[in-house]
Amino acid sequence: GDSVTQMEGPVTLSEEAFLTINCTYTATGYPSLFWYVQYPGEGLQLLLKATKADDKGSNKGFEATYRKETTSFHLEKGSVQVSDSAVYFCALSGSGGYQKVTFGTGTKLQVIP
Amino acid sequence: DVKVTQSSRYLVKRTGEKVFLECVQDMDHENMFWYRQDPGLGLRLIYFSYDVKMKEKGDIPEGYSVSREKKERFSLILESASTNQTSMYLCASSHRERNTEAFFGQGTRLTVV
Repeated sequence: GDSVTQMEGPVTLSEEAFLTINCTYTATGYPSLFWYVQYPGEGLQLLLKATKADDKGSNKGFEATYRKETTSFHLEKGSVQVSDSAVYFCALSGSGGYQKVTFGTGTKLQVIP
Repeated sequence: DVKVTQSSRYLVKRTGEKVFLECVQDMDHENMFWYRQDPGLGLRLIYFSYDVKMKEKGDIPEGYSVSREKKERFSLILESASTNQTSMYLCASSHRERNTEAFFGQGTRLTVV
């Protein structure tokens, strides 16, 4: 079945540092890929998405590129802020019926001033 | 503003009780999902529904059932709550079309004592 593997956290960075959170996936067909973010005490919200190979999703300074050849969708940001502290989830929506969404285990990011 | 609303933020129930978690969405979405979130395990799908009165088991359905009598409402039922069902429960909904993201509620933190 479909699966998502993302790097374990927690990740601790200083403000203005460069961020990479790795994500790889296993799926049949052509899934859509997502990054969700969960701020403390809240539900998940969509950060960005990509629906086909070589697409780049971007939002709030975050970017991720759908790489079919390496089955990856790594999240990057050039300069993190304290307000980016949250848990980040990589996810895919399978190409089969009913668009079931499969999530990775989440990576907690802490940004210190 | 689009919304997925879960009936409670926090619940404390006793072992053996029957527990109902309610979720309502106002976006006319066909798909609705129940996940549980546990540290180190990410989000695991319990059940999903792709239409009124239709349901499919997710990855961890044991000990749970669901009900979808109206399109906007999806209920998760713990028939006889146990301490290992202490968790954060997240409801989500999405359109049937491919490539659309899921929208999440704020979560219900359930403690079974």
